[in-house]
Amino acid sequence: EDQVTQSPEALRLQEGESSSLNCSYTVSGLRGLFWYRQDPGKGPEFLFTLYSAGEEKEKERLKATLTKKESFLHITAPKPEDSATYLCAVQFSGYALNFGKGTSLLVTP
Amino acid sequence: SQTIHQWPATLVQPVGSPLSLECTVEGTSNPNLYWYRQAAGRGLQLLFYSVGIGQISSEVPQNLSASRPQDRQFILSSKKLLLSDSGFYLCAWGATNEKLFFGSGTQLSVL
Repeated sequence: EDQVTQSPEALRLQEGESSSLNCSYTVSGLRGLFWYRQDPGKGPEFLFTLYSAGEEKEKERLKATLTKKESFLHITAPKPEDSATYLCAVQFSGYALNFGKGTSLLVTP
Repeated sequence: SQTIHQWPATLVQPVGSPLSLECTVEGTSNPNLYWYRQAAGRGLQLLFYSVGIGQISSEVPQNLSASRPQDRQFILSSKKLLLSDSGFYLCAWGATNEKLFFGSGTQLSVL
């Protein structure tokens, strides 16, 4: 059973059409939740870290929020350059991050 | 500032051949080092991590191995590649309980 589930798998938006990506996790004892952006053929690029329920972080058109069992990545008025795969990862114990399969976002002009 | 170098960028290898991927980190000391693999349609799968020289933890049993001969050097190896070893290999570093920084990745195709 996957510990981290991201939805939707793929999302297509018109430029300026705001939406949210979801990341849910099933294991208790969260140490941190991480959002990354990955462009094709490249390594993931760090976006945000969230540590406790109620926490929010913002960067340009992106805003990440965290509840007890899930996180949302809100994209406000997206632009074509926001097209990428967005990865969510959680850290429960030890040193490693457990990643979801990602949401592939396509923003069309 | 810290940087991570990973090479080669692409690699095509025949089944049964050996493998060696190298990763080095600059600008930090005693980092935690990681090897992840990303296969089509799957998330990033942790293969190995290391918290110090000579200390390797394996997360997934397979025909791959890892070594850390120096503080900022992490090597992924195989004696005989399988078709199922194809994928995008990513090296990463980070401090304990902190975010990870990823290299640019190696696209490995085993034919």
